[in-house]
Amino acid sequence: AQSVTQLDSQVPVFEEAPVELRCNYSSSVSVYLFWYVQYPNQGLQLLLKYLSGSTLVESINGFEAEFNKSQTSFHLRKPSVHISDTAEYFCAVSPSRGGGTSYGKLTFGQGTILTVHP
Amino acid sequence: EAGVTQSPTHLIKTRGQQATLRCSPISGHTSVYWYQQALGLGLQFLLWYDEGEERNRGNFPPRFSGRQFPNYSSELNVNALELEDSALYLCASSRHRGAGQETQYFGPGTRLLVL
Repeated sequence: AQSVTQLDSQVPVFEEAPVELRCNYSSSVSVYLFWYVQYPNQGLQLLLKYLSGSTLVESINGFEAEFNKSQTSFHLRKPSVHISDTAEYFCAVSPSRGGGTSYGKLTFGQGTILTVHP
Repeated sequence: EAGVTQSPTHLIKTRGQQATLRCSPISGHTSVYWYQQALGLGLQFLLWYDEGEERNRGNFPPRFSGRQFPNYSSELNVNALELEDSALYLCASSRHRGAGQETQYFGPGTRLLVL
């Protein structure tokens, strides 16, 4: 089974400041890692994902996340945030191998609400 | 390319009634997933369908059920509604059989309110 812990439930930050949203996971098998974003009254949108290869992955809107296997972390960062980044961010994992009760499902963290102030 | 669509957007029911929620996946996707996003409980996996069959199920009682049709659209049924079933129900779809690397794309959700 997998579990995901997002260490901060809320992160307030001023516009143009850097931000880091923390995510740690636990799993007995290797996993794929995802960050999703949810804007108010909307569904989830994929921000970025780590499947294999380079441990640093980037999104088209300036976010990046680094997979750290030894620390079982997948923290999300942005060097300069914008008002429009205000949303709830979810870290999620899925097992990289088939079978078992976790197969096919995403396990989500509790979410981090990022609020960008002008 | 059209995204995942869900209907209705909002649904109001009373305790004991049944609710039916619908989902149409992205064209070419064969897997459909259902998640519940309840206040204070986060996003919880409900069901996964692929090629018309239920492939996995989360820790929910049997009154949560569903099916997948030949065109890969899906229906989630919740029987004997309880107040705590009030939540946003999200549907997602992916290619192939839910292999972990296949990205799940989410719809806008159906907000169910049980009075």
